[in-house]
Amino acid sequence: SQQGEEDPQALSIQEGENATMNCSYKTSINNLQWYRQNSGRGLVHLILIRSNEREKHSGRLRVTLDTSKKSSSLLITASRAADTASYFCATPAGGGSYIPTFGRGTSLIVHP
Amino acid sequence: GAGVSQTPSNKVTEKGKYVELRCDPISGHTALYWYRQSLGQGPEFLIYFQGTGAADDSGLPNDRFFAVRPEGSVSTLKIQRTERGDSAVYLCASSLMGTGSNEQFFGPGTRLTVL
Repeated sequence: SQQGEEDPQALSIQEGENATMNCSYKTSINNLQWYRQNSGRGLVHLILIRSNEREKHSGRLRVTLDTSKKSSSLLITASRAADTASYFCATPAGGGSYIPTFGRGTSLIVHP
Repeated sequence: GAGVSQTPSNKVTEKGKYVELRCDPISGHTALYWYRQSLGQGPEFLIYFQGTGAADDSGLPNDRFFAVRPEGSVSTLKIQRTERGDSAVYLCASSLMGTGSNEQFFGPGTRLTVL
C-alpha cells in the first residue's frame, strides 16, 4: 500500500525559479527519502532525512520534515532545465516493515 | 564499481508466455528489491530479499510471479502465463542492508510489453 503521496502531481516553471514539492504520509516513520526519475527508468537517490531531523540540504536541494503534520517538502532552488524529471518520496511501509514505498510522484518541467 | 544492472532492457512477449528478468545488484549489497512501475505511477513493491531468502514477498500480485536469489547476489524475477496487464517497467534496487535507512540504488529497469 502507498504510504506517501506527493503534491502537486505536476509542476511547470521557468528556469531560475524555485520548485517546491510536498509529500504527505500516513503512519509514523523513522526516515523519509526523496528520489528523482528521468524518462521513466531508474530512480536516483537525492536525500534521506531522519525523523529526528527537521531540515537537510544538499547543493540546491532543501528538504524539510514535519513529523507532527506527517509531511515533507523538497525545494529545488534556482532550477535548471536539467531538473526536469519526476520526483518521488519514499517512506517505510509501516507495520514493522522497513521496505521503502513510493507515492505517485510530482512531474516537474523546467522551461529554459 | 558498476551500479545495478538489469537485463534485458526491453522484453516483448506474447500473452501466455513465460519471461525471466534478471537483476545484478551492487557487489556486497545484501538487500535486493523488485518493484513494478506503470505509466504515471510510482514504483510498486513486489518482493524483497535479504541475502538468499525472500524476506517479504507480500507485493507479488499472484502466484504467476516468482523470484529467486540463489547465491545472494543475482536475482531473477519469473512471470508465468503473462497477461497484458503485466506490461510495465520492472525495477530492481539494492541496498547495503535492509533496514530501510539505507539508500536504495536502482537499476535502469526492464520494460516488459505483453502483446
